[in-house]
Amino acid sequence: DVKVTQSSRYLVKRTGEKVFLECVQDMDHENMFWYRQDPGLGLRLIYFSYDVKMKEKGDIPEGYSVSREKKERFSLILESASTNQTSMYLCASNWIRMNTEAFFGQGTRLTVV
Amino acid sequence: RKEVEQDPGPFNVPEGATVAFNCTYSNSASQSFFWYRQDCRKEPKLLMSVYSSGNEDGRFTAQLNRASQYISLLIRDSKLSDSATYLCAVKHSSASKIIFGSGTRLSIRP
Repeated sequence: DVKVTQSSRYLVKRTGEKVFLECVQDMDHENMFWYRQDPGLGLRLIYFSYDVKMKEKGDIPEGYSVSREKKERFSLILESASTNQTSMYLCASNWIRMNTEAFFGQGTRLTVV
Repeated sequence: RKEVEQDPGPFNVPEGATVAFNCTYSNSASQSFFWYRQDCRKEPKLLMSVYSSGNEDGRFTAQLNRASQYISLLIRDSKLSDSATYLCAVKHSSASKIIFGSGTRLSIRP
């Protein structure tokens, strides 16, 4: 079974804190993604990576950065957390072959107070 | 305009009914198409991929219309357990991002 694991299910952080969300996959997937999901807005892509040290901006990268030092791990960093970054964050991964599905982690519900 | 659009619903239908959702995409370079199911407070999980010729999996049928740039999902003989949010997703090329629609909420009533 494919496993995508996010480091925390729930996080509460203070405004201005630097926040790290970690994601690990065990299927040797080339692609990894970070999305945030908000009511009425669906899944919005923040960043994705198709290889180690490679990253591309998604639709809403502002306020976020990412790191992919190892193939299995993709980190999302909130440089200075703000209340409008309170959301559900979902990590996903898949193989680079064309018609392959993305597998999701269980999500991290981040609250910034 | 969003790249992938869905009717957010909610669709509220009786058990046993047939229900259909559409999802439109704007980028004609889209190559791969998927339907995902998301239960409340859970992560999305693949329901089915959508192939050019259309495909069926039990009570679920997915269709792709490249000319009009939409995909559809048909659920026959709906069950209470089908209540969920259904997300469509498109992918442009092998290394590229996967774009999701905002989801259609389905509620099946007894």
